[in-house]
Amino acid sequence: DIQMTQSPSSLSASVWDRVTITCRASQDISNYLAWFQQKPGKAPKSLIYAASTLQSGVPSKFSGSGSGTDFTLTISSLQPEDFATYYCQQYNSYPYTFGQGTKLEIK
Amino acid sequence: QVHLQESGPGLVKPSETLSLTCTVSGASMISFYWSWIRQPPGKGLEWIGGIHDSGSTNYNPSLKSRVTISVDTSRNQISLKVRSVTAADSAVYYCATVPGGPYWGQGTLVTVSS
Repeated sequence: DIQMTQSPSSLSASVWDRVTITCRASQDISNYLAWFQQKPGKAPKSLIYAASTLQSGVPSKFSGSGSGTDFTLTISSLQPEDFATYYCQQYNSYPYTFGQGTKLEIK
Repeated sequence: QVHLQESGPGLVKPSETLSLTCTVSGASMISFYWSWIRQPPGKGLEWIGGIHDSGSTNYNPSLKSRVTISVDTSRNQISLKVRSVTAADSAVYYCATVPGGPYWGQGTLVTVSS
């Protein structure tokens, strides 16, 4: 199985900050990477697929980059509704695997 | 408006079979790859398996021998069965158009307990 490692596991930031979350794959996954946002008690929300393509309706404050083994999710101009847990997922090969999550908290 | 709704028993006894259905409305079943994903309370996400509209399936080896996923395009439903459950199978179960698609069900909590 491909292991996905996110860093940091938790992150404190302030409203209006810009933050970056990193996701590293244990082997080359090309650009077969997705990002999800999950708020407490809610289903995850799909943000990005193919490493950098925003799902329809996702604001441009979210951006993804990377290929191969190293990927980033950047969120600019943080607003209260952006504080959540973020997951990456590789879908280059089965079984699809998720990172452990990054909890973004308000400072 | 696309809507995914998981349904099934919220309580299953150990060693029995967990059966869930995901009913899709507002979207064509042939447009997406359909996955089942679960999340134990307070933990991360685990991909259980998925199915193409053709019916071809892929499973997580950690569960493969106990899991069956099927699709009924005439009813717009995807089904999940997990056999011989234990407490470790207690989780919120989601159906979703993952990877690639934007849609998730709200999830359904399944507790394995006698």
